[in-house]
Amino acid sequence: GEQVEQLPSSLIVQEGASVLINCSYTDSASVYFPWYKQEPGKRLQFIIDIRSNMERKQTQRLTLLFDKKTKHLSLHITATQPGDSAIYFCSASIHTGGLSGKLTFGEGTQVTVIS
Amino acid sequence: NAGVIQTPRHKVTGKGQEATLWCEPISGHSAVFWYRQTIVQGLEFLTYFRNQAPIDDSGMPKERFSAQMPNQSHSTLKIQSTQPQDSAVYLCASSLAPGQGAGAEQFFGPGTRLTVL
Repeated sequence: GEQVEQLPSSLIVQEGASVLINCSYTDSASVYFPWYKQEPGKRLQFIIDIRSNMERKQTQRLTLLFDKKTKHLSLHITATQPGDSAIYFCSASIHTGGLSGKLTFGEGTQVTVIS
Repeated sequence: NAGVIQTPRHKVTGKGQEATLWCEPISGHSAVFWYRQTIVQGLEFLTYFRNQAPIDDSGMPKERFSAQMPNQSHSTLKIQSTQPQDSAVYLCASSLAPGQGAGAEQFFGPGTRLTVL
């Protein structure tokens, strides 16, 4: 089955700096890649997604890049703030016909933003 | 909008007892998913329903675990004869049907923390 790997497992960044999280997957049938953020004690929160027919997606301070050939994604967070401190999860889904399918998650990246 | 609702938020059971976890999806969402989260295994898919019908239960342990969706407003995950290794946070998520706008984004509940002593 699908396997999703994230690196690094954790990182510490100075407030205002940028963060890069890498994600790779194994199943070429995966076509939908949502990312989630989990703050301590809070529920998983959707932050951005991309489909396999796209190479780049940007929302506010988040940029998500996708390389179908290498089965690799990278999430770039700019101008980090203390509120960005959380665990970030990459996930993959075989998502056909507009239907939501099961998600396979990476292990997560713990991001800590220090002032 | 309260989002996906899960009850109870915390449950403690003794080894061998039964645990039933409840999920109320967002109104109008036709797909309901169950996952569990542990430190060791991370986030794992268990099962999901679409329009109340079971679609994929490939992540469910074959024994002791069962899930149902008797109506569009709630789903249950039942664990019989609970074991310490069942201790985890059980997450429920829901999503819209195709053609209802947005996309396949899954909205997660707060989870039920199950502790088996």
